[in-house]
Amino acid sequence: QKEVEQDPGPLSVPEGAIVSLNCTYSNSAFQYFMWYRQYSRKGPELLMYTYSSGNKEDGRFTAQVDKSSKYISLFIRDSQPSDSATYLCAMMGNQFYFGTGTSLTVIP
Amino acid sequence: GAVVSQHPSWVICKSGTSVKIECRSLDFQATTMFWYRQFPKQSLMLMATSNEGSKATYEQGVEKDKFLINHASLTLSTLTVTSAHPEDSSFYICSARDLTSGRYEQYFGPGTRLTVT
Repeated sequence: QKEVEQDPGPLSVPEGAIVSLNCTYSNSAFQYFMWYRQYSRKGPELLMYTYSSGNKEDGRFTAQVDKSSKYISLFIRDSQPSDSATYLCAMMGNQFYFGTGTSLTVIP
Repeated sequence: GAVVSQHPSWVICKSGTSVKIECRSLDFQATTMFWYRQFPKQSLMLMATSNEGSKATYEQGVEKDKFLINHASLTLSTLTVTSAHPEDSSFYICSARDLTSGRYEQYFGPGTRLTVT
C-alpha cells in the first residue's frame, strides 16, 4: 500500500464550478499536510499547508484534513481557467510524501 | 518570501559530458535541500536530500557517483550529472526547507530541463 494515494484524474470542469481534490494516506503519524500546484514545465508552488485536523481557507481555496479518516481535500471555489494545472498533495511524517498529482482542466 | 531559483532553466548537452545545475534559496536559509526528478506526466521522484555541510543522502536506486550533490552553503546546492546519457534527460527540480523557522513545507525551484543528445 502506498503511503499517499491520489486520483490522477484527469479532471475537467466548467469555469465557475467547485472543484474537490482528494488524497488518502495510511500513516496515522502524519501531522503536516500541504497542497502544491504545478503548471506544465514549472516547479510546484505551495498553495496551502495545514497542521493536523481542521480546515484552512485562503481566498478561493479551502484545505481540509480529516485525520480520523486519513483523508485530505482541497476545494477550489469559482474555478478559473488559470487554475488548470496539476495539484499535488504532500504530507510530512519522518519524511515527505507526495501524491502522484491530479490533473485539472477548467474549461472557459 | 521563500523564493528558490534554479539555473539553468534548460540545458542541452552531448552524451558523455557533465552538467551542473544550481539551486539557490534567495530570501531564506535552506538548512535542507532536496533534488527531484520528474518525467512527463509523472509525479516527483526524490533523488536525494542534502543538509548544509553534510553529505547528501541518496534514495535507493540513485547512483551517488553519477549524481553529485554539494550543499556548501545555506543558500546554494548543486547537482552535477556526470557522464550524462540520453536516459538522464528529464526535468530536475530542487526544493528547500528552513527548519529553523519551525515549519516543514518545501519551496520548489522552477526546474531545469536537461536534454542529453
